[in-house]
Amino acid sequence: ETVLTQSPATLSLSPGERATLSCRASQTVSSSLAWYQQKPGQAPRLLIYDTSDRATGVPGRFTASGSGTDFTLTISTLEPEDFAVYYCQQRAVWPPTFGGGTRVEI
Amino acid sequence: QVQLVQSGAEVKKPGSSVRVSCRPSGGPFNNFAISWVRQAPGQGLEWMGGIIPLFGTPHYAQKFRGRVSVTADKATSTAYMELSSLRSEDTAVYYCARGIDIPQVQHYYYMDVWGTGTTVTVSS
Repeated sequence: ETVLTQSPATLSLSPGERATLSCRASQTVSSSLAWYQQKPGQAPRLLIYDTSDRATGVPGRFTASGSGTDFTLTISTLEPEDFAVYYCQQRAVWPPTFGGGTRVEI
Repeated sequence: QVQLVQSGAEVKKPGSSVRVSCRPSGGPFNNFAISWVRQAPGQGLEWMGGIIPLFGTPHYAQKFRGRVSVTADKATSTAYMELSSLRSEDTAVYYCARGIDIPQVQHYYYMDVWGTGTTVTVSS
């Protein structure tokens, strides 16, 4: 199965700062990668699919890029509600797999 | 707004089985990829299996093959996940999730609308 390695494990930032999260795949996943945000006690929320397409209702400060094995999620200016855990997920290689997550904390 | 409503929390003995249901409170369901994802306490997300109810063929992660069964009832727009031979490591929140409401990707195993979550506790 395709292993997704997310880095860093924890990102300590302040509101207003820029966050850059990385997701590296053990084999190419083409552009079939998504990003999710999860807050404590809540289900995950889809942010990005197909590498860079924002899901409905996702603010423009969330952008993503990459291809093949290296992907990045950028939050341009952190809002208080953005502090959460972020997961990447690939669907290109069976089975779909998730990364271990990056915690963005204040 | 579409929501997925799951069945309630379960407490099970090791070796037994659990069945979790998932149905939408409104909106389309049968023509989307439906995934089952679990999250053990304090851990990450794990994709277990999925199905497109319209087609009916389930898909499973190798790790769970032989222990998990994913089915769907088109008539009632309900999906089910049954996990057997339960062990303590299966204690987790189990989510169903629906694919994206865009025709080009609705059959893909991305997870846009998530269920309410079902806590399954396995304990003797």
